Parts: sequence; structure tokens; C-alpha cells
Amino acid sequence: NAGVTQTPKFRILKIGQSMTLQCTQDMNHNYMYWYRQDPGMGLKLIYYSVGAGITDKGEVPNGYNVSRSTTEDFPLRLELAAPSQTSVYFCASSPIGQAQHFGDGTRLSIL
Amino acid sequence: TQLLEQSPQFLSIQEGENLTVYCNSSSVFSSLQWYRQEPGEGPVLLVTVVTGGEVKKLKRLTFQFGDARKDSSLHITAAQTGDTGLYLCAGAPMEYGNKLVFGAGTILRVKS
Repeated sequence: NAGVTQTPKFRILKIGQSMTLQCTQDMNHNYMYWYRQDPGMGLKLIYYSVGAGITDKGEVPNGYNVSRSTTEDFPLRLELAAPSQTSVYFCASSPIGQAQHFGDGTRLSIL
Repeated sequence: TQLLEQSPQFLSIQEGENLTVYCNSSSVFSSLQWYRQEPGEGPVLLVTVVTGGEVKKLKRLTFQFGDARKDSSLHITAAQTGDTGLYLCAGAPMEYGNKLVFGAGTILRVKS
């Protein structure tokens, strides 16, 4: 039972580099989400998607982009990495109106 | 300013003690959820409460949703070292649809 799978688990980037955080789920959930978690701040919603081909901004979308070409995959792209984007990133999925299932996170450091 | 305020931020207690964690807001929520997160892992759902005044029990954990659906509490009876972790409340404000907002979390450490 894979659930929500995130890759990579850890990454160090230099300022200005770009990268894609991968997220895939095998539960056929319509809804998918990207959060970042900073110490003492809880989880902040970056982007979410209610289905393939549909994405929308969350609370902190600046500096990020997403796409949802399939139900299973919801990659998060950082185009020009900045130190403020150092964080732990969590992907989650859920059926409509139900609780969210989280991946184990990607720890990203930007130096 | 957090839409959901959790207190306390940090709690260190001895095994066997009782504790309560609070989650408060000025907004009304269609539902509230409690998650537990361990280091290196994602949050795992403990419970969802949807009805004002609702009380749910999960073994030694008791969850309550306020009558006005603006607040919730988590009470742990006779804490064990295995209860150590980060506890997060999350809610779906009425105007947010299925999007959750999270509290900052309560770090619980239970010492043997």
C-alpha cells in the first residue's frame, strides 16, 4: 500500500537553481495538495488541485508552480530557488470532502 | 496571525499524567481534524469532528468540538511515552471549501 509517495526525500539546492518535487498517489483521489511546513508555523497550503487539469493557488503560492496532467501525479516546481524556500514540503491527497493522506515529505535546503 | 491558534506550543510531562491541548479560532469551521506527526513523517489523521458539541474517543484520547464550531480540544489520559509527537489541529473554514488551515502545532514530550 504505497499511498502518497514523494521524491526526493532530501535535496540541497543553490540559490537560483530550479527543481521539481514529485508526488504521486495510488488511491485514485481527486484532490491533491502541496504544503510547506516551517518550525512553529504549522502547514501552509501552496497549491491544490480538485482534479486532473485543474489547479488553484493556496495561501503561499509565490515562487512555485504546479501541474496536474493525471489523477495520480501532482508535481511542484521551483523555478528560481531562494533561501526563503528552505522548508519541508508535504504532498497530500483526499477523496472529495474527506480527510487528507500525507506523504513523508521532502526536506529542501537552499544555500 | 494564525487562523487556528493552538496552545500550548510545547508540553513536557511525566508518563501517567493527563493533558489537554486546545485549538481556538474566531472563525466557524465545517469540520475540525486532529493529526499526529512524528519526526521524518507526514501528519497522520487521528479524528475528524463535524458536529458542534461532538465528543469522540480514541482509546485514551478524547476530542471535543465546541458548540459554536470555533474551537476544539484534545485530552490525553494517562499519557505514555508513545504519545510523544507533534499534534496539529486543522479545520475547513466555512468559506474555504475543502481546503484546510492548520494550527502551528503542539509538541508533546512524555518522559518515562
